[in-house]
Formats: sequence, C-alpha cells, structure tokens
Amino acid sequence: GQNIDQPTEMTATEGAIVQINCTYQTSGFNGLFWYQQHAGEAPTFLSYNVLDGLEEKGRFSSFLSRSKGYSYLLLKELQMKDSASYLCAVALTGANNLFFGTGTRLTVIP
Amino acid sequence: EPEVTQTPSHQVTQMGQEVILRCVPISNHLYFYWYRQILGQKVEFLVSFYNNEISEKSEIFDDQFSVERPDGSNFTLKIRSTKLEDSAMYFCASTRQGLKNGYTFGSGTRLTVV
Repeated sequence: GQNIDQPTEMTATEGAIVQINCTYQTSGFNGLFWYQQHAGEAPTFLSYNVLDGLEEKGRFSSFLSRSKGYSYLLLKELQMKDSASYLCAVALTGANNLFFGTGTRLTVIP
Repeated sequence: EPEVTQTPSHQVTQMGQEVILRCVPISNHLYFYWYRQILGQKVEFLVSFYNNEISEKSEIFDDQFSVERPDGSNFTLKIRSTKLEDSAMYFCASTRQGLKNGYTFGSGTRLTVV
C-alpha cells in the first residue's frame, strides 16, 4: 500500500517561518503536491515537485528529495490567514490520481 | 478565475436512497475526478474520467458508484444505495492535461446519510 506521513498539528507565530515535513513510501512516483485546505473548504493547489530540489513561489517554497522519499513545505512571513491544514499528496507513475496524507493542521498565533 | 462548480452544497438522504452529485468542470479541462473526505480524515481518490470513460478507480469505487458525463459540461457521481458510511464531503476536480498545475477542486458537496 501507499504510505504518506506528516505531523498532525503544528503551531507557529505570526511573522515567523514554519517547515512542514512529509515522508512517503509509494509503489511509484510521478510528482509530489502540496495543497492548502481551510476548514470546510476545498483543497487549493500550492506546489508541485517532480525533480529534486527547491521550488519557490512567493512566501511558499517546497522541497523534494526522491531518494529519501521526503518533502517539505516552507512558509515564510506567516500570516493569520495561513492557519489551515496542509496536505501532502503523491501521484503514482503513469497515474493522474493522488494519494493524500492526513494533513498537518497549522495554527498561526499572534 | 475559472471554477469547478458543484451542486448541491449539502445533501441529506436516507439510507438506501440514490443520490446524484453534480459537477461542472472547467470548460477546457480534459480530466475529471471525484474524491471524498470523511470528516476529520484524509482526502481519498474515488475515480478519474477521461475521454468519456473511467481511466482509474479505487477500491472504494465499488458497484454502488457510477460516473457519467451526460453532456458537454456536467460530470456526475451517482451512489445507488447510500449507506451511513457514505457520509462525507465529495469533491469534484479537473485538470487540463498533466499534473504540473495541480487539480482545481470544486467547493464540495457535503453528503449526510441518515
């Protein structure tokens, strides 16, 4: 089966930097995704990594190491509105469907 | 910004009844998906649809589920005989081609089976 692990909850301070880790063990790999999900809402796409390295997009960056089965999402200059769940998801080889982790609930405090 | 539209936003149904959840994907998208999220749990893949046929489906997508694209715009998920454990948020999603830009998810239909 597919296994994606991420911490259940994290807390960080407004203005700070937070790193949310994700490790995966899957039968194939066709890319890793990060989504943001506010309570009761749909997931919204943040980033996609298919090659090793860092992808930067404004305040958000995502890193991938395929050999380690590891990714992280880095959020800088945290704002209160960043309080949400962050979902790590993997696409398998030759497939377009995604396997999601259980998500990390981030709480940003003043 | 183009959106994926889902109706209804909430649906309450009695156990054993049939429900149809409706989605209008983004017009130039080619791949369509249904996912579900039981309250407090992870998002789970149900089925993907491309070129008017199912391309992949999960173990969850058993004989009580079906999908259809009855016209050029709608994409529906039918649950034939609902069970209590079908209570969840159901998300429709679409992509144009490939995964580079991720999916666009609809706002979801909250299904409650009583």
